Parts: sequence; structure tokens; C-alpha cells
Amino acid sequence: KAGVTQTPRYLIKTRGQQVTLSCSPISGHRSVSWYQQTPGQGLQFLFEYFSETQRNKGNFPGRFSGRQFSNSRSEMNVSTLELGDSALYLCASSQKGLESGELFFGEGSRLTVL
Amino acid sequence: AQKITQTQPGMFVQEKEAVTLDCTYDTSDPSYGLFWYKQPSSGEMIFLIYQGSYDQQNATEGRYSLNFQKARKSANLVISASQLGDSAMYFCAMRRISNFGNEKLTFGTGTRLTIIP
Repeated sequence: KAGVTQTPRYLIKTRGQQVTLSCSPISGHRSVSWYQQTPGQGLQFLFEYFSETQRNKGNFPGRFSGRQFSNSRSEMNVSTLELGDSALYLCASSQKGLESGELFFGEGSRLTVL
Repeated sequence: AQKITQTQPGMFVQEKEAVTLDCTYDTSDPSYGLFWYKQPSSGEMIFLIYQGSYDQQNATEGRYSLNFQKARKSANLVISASQLGDSAMYFCAMRRISNFGNEKLTFGTGTRLTIIP
């Protein structure tokens, strides 16, 4: 069973640009959530999607947005990049109603903003 | 609001010894889940073990066990017979359990575990 796949794995952007990251969940998983990991702030929740609907959202500015497609694949977009957006962006998938809430994470997309 | 505290930024342990990674939490939710994840240098977060707030028994998964003390709000991870491959960052996390799907995970700051040969 294939795991969570995130693309691209590494990317470099400059301030003011925008970036789109992609996440393909495990087959059959309908929930996809996104997390930002930085040395200073640690792991912080961005948002969670289920059946193409955003169900939960963290405390990030509107520059951070996402969406989910009918095949459960998800994308997140960051517009007008700032230096502080440099981070590892992790995507996780899970099955709805799985009480253990086991989240399966991808290897992340490491974004560097210059 | 939920909060996870991991007070050990780093630990060095001799190979084959047992190790305990500390985690305390704070929440007002009556129903919650506690998780431990391992993050090797590759970046992927690997699920290790889960404990529900209403579970009567401590969770175990192979060499991993969770020492759950609800009254003290602690959920320490115990790794028995440590191996060199256990060297990684370890994160404790929790989330509220609801009927509305997957609530967000709140993570601690992590503990970097280094196993010494």
C-alpha cells in the first residue's frame, strides 16, 4: 500500500512569489491535513480537508490556502512568500471516524524562501 | 486550549538500554487521544503508539509502550532495548476526540534521542 506522497520534496523560492505543494493521500483515506514545521515554532496545524471541504483551520494568515480534489488529493498554496515561510510542510492522511486518529504523514516538502 | 510539554530537548542513551521520553499535557476536553511520533532525519513523521483517554490499559506496540497516568496528565513513551535506528526526534501529540472528524493534532517541541553504540 503506497504511503502519503508529497511533491515537490525540495523547492527554493524568492520573497513575493507564490508556491503550490501537492499531497496524495493513502488510497481510501479521505481526510488530508497540513502542518508547518519550523525550528522556532515547531509543528503547527494549517488546515484539514475532508471530501473537498475544509473542516478545520489553524491560525495562519490568508496567504495560506488549500483545496482538496474529488480523488482526495490535496494542494496547499502560499502566496506572497515571506522569509518566515521557510519550513518543512507535512501532509497527513487518515480515515474518517478512525478513533485512534492515526495520521500517516508524508516525507514533507521543504520550502526555502530567499 | 491544549498544550503538550516535552521537557527533554535531547537525550543520549546506550544501545540496548531502555529509555523513557517524558510528555505532560494540559486539556479541558474529557475525551482525547495521545500520540507519539518519530521523525528521522528524512523528515517523515512515523506513528508509534496511541492512547485514548478512556483506555484502561497502557498502550503497547512492540518495543514501545506508553506509560499513561491520567491524574498526573502524563503520557511518557518507553522504548525497551534501544537500537541505533531509534536515533531520531520524538514528538508527543494530542487531539480532542469528537464526532466531527479529525481534530488538529497539537504537538510538543520534541526530544532528540541519540543512541550510543
